Amino acid sequence: KAGVTQTPRYLIKTRGQQVTLSCSPISGHRSVSWYQQTPGQGLQFLFEYFSETQRNKGNFPGRFSGRQFSNSRSEMNVSTLELGDSALYLCASTPGTYNEQFFGPGTRLTVL
Amino acid sequence: AQSVTQLGSHVSVSEGALVLLRCNYSSSVPPYLFWYVQYPNQGLQLLLKYTSAATLVKGINGFEAEFKKSETSFHLTKPSAHMSDAAEYFCAVSDGGSQGNLIFGKGTKLSVKP
Repeated sequence: KAGVTQTPRYLIKTRGQQVTLSCSPISGHRSVSWYQQTPGQGLQFLFEYFSETQRNKGNFPGRFSGRQFSNSRSEMNVSTLELGDSALYLCASTPGTYNEQFFGPGTRLTVL
Repeated sequence: AQSVTQLGSHVSVSEGALVLLRCNYSSSVPPYLFWYVQYPNQGLQLLLKYTSAATLVKGINGFEAEFKKSETSFHLTKPSAHMSDAAEYFCAVSDGGSQGNLIFGKGTKLSVKP
């Protein structure tokens, strides 16, 4: 079974721009979660989608948004980028058992 | 609210020595607990999970963890460290509810000296 895939792996943007990251979950997994990882804040939960609906949301500003498609693929969007948005963005999918999550390799976003 | 505390942001051991990474959790409901490992520039890989079936949980790469409810702990151990174990380790908790997100500790970076 193919793992969770994320594209692109690396991204460089400038302040004020917007960015879209993509995540394809493991086949059959209907839940997709997004996390932001930074050296200072560690791993922080952004949001979770299940069957195309946002089911849970972390404490991030409205500039961070996401969506899920009918094939369970998910995208997250960050508008009006700030320097502090530089991070590794991780996507995870779950089969729904014990909330065990399978992570992708992440997208490294650098904001200049 | 759930929380996870990992004691020690950096742990250094010699090759062949015991590895002990500490994790304490706070949860108002019986938790599900996980240990993940992250190698540089990679995502997180699940090492093991506690789901109330057994208090001593064995994972991959020779790691194991013991759930102690009285101490609200879920420490990760490995009898003999290998150089390849050098990585960052994260403890995480979930209440197993319908809202699927994990609460992570800050992580412990493990160094293994030859």
